[in-house]
Amino acid sequence: GDSVTQMEGPVTLSEEAFLTINCTYTATGYPSLFWYVQYPGEGLQLLLKATKADDKGSNKGFEATYRKETTSFHLEKGSVQVSDSAVYFCALSASGGGADGLTFGKGTHLIIQP
Amino acid sequence: SAVISQKPSRDICQRGTSLTIQCQVDSQVTMMFWYRQQPGQSLTLIATANQGSEATYESGFVIDKFPISRPNLTFSTLTVSNMSPEDSSIYLCSVEGGVPQETQYFGPGTRLLVL
Repeated sequence: GDSVTQMEGPVTLSEEAFLTINCTYTATGYPSLFWYVQYPGEGLQLLLKATKADDKGSNKGFEATYRKETTSFHLEKGSVQVSDSAVYFCALSASGGGADGLTFGKGTHLIIQP
Repeated sequence: SAVISQKPSRDICQRGTSLTIQCQVDSQVTMMFWYRQQPGQSLTLIATANQGSEATYESGFVIDKFPISRPNLTFSTLTVSNMSPEDSSIYLCSVEGGVPQETQYFGPGTRLLVL
């Protein structure tokens, strides 16, 4: 079946450091890929998405590129802030959109220190 | 994006009892989903609920344990029946729609502790 693997946390960085959170997936067909973020005490929010190979999703300074050849969707940010501290989830939709349930990775807890 | 609310936000229950969780959306949606997030784990899809039809359950989840209602296009309930401590989780509902489209948006979750 479909699966998502993302790097284990917690990941601790200093403010203004470069961030990469790795995400790889296994799926049949052509899934859509998502990054969701869960800030402390808040609900799950969509951060960005990509629906086909070589698409780049971006939001709030975060980027991720859909790489079909490596089945990856790594999350990057050039300069992190303390306010980026949260849990980040990589997810896929096998149907290519929201019509089916999402398959999630285990989440990566990111801690940014001032 | 759709605004989704859940009730209750949290509860502490005794084993053997049942709890019904409500999910309300501020707009009409076709697809609603229920997920479970066990402590330290990722989100797992329980079932998909469409208005006017039986919910579709994922492997490992059964209707007798997690009955779902979907009486209209803005509301759904999930009941956790005959609870045990292993049911302690966060339960989330989500809907498809909004901007960008073909994306799922999540409610704030219901944090359940079973003693």
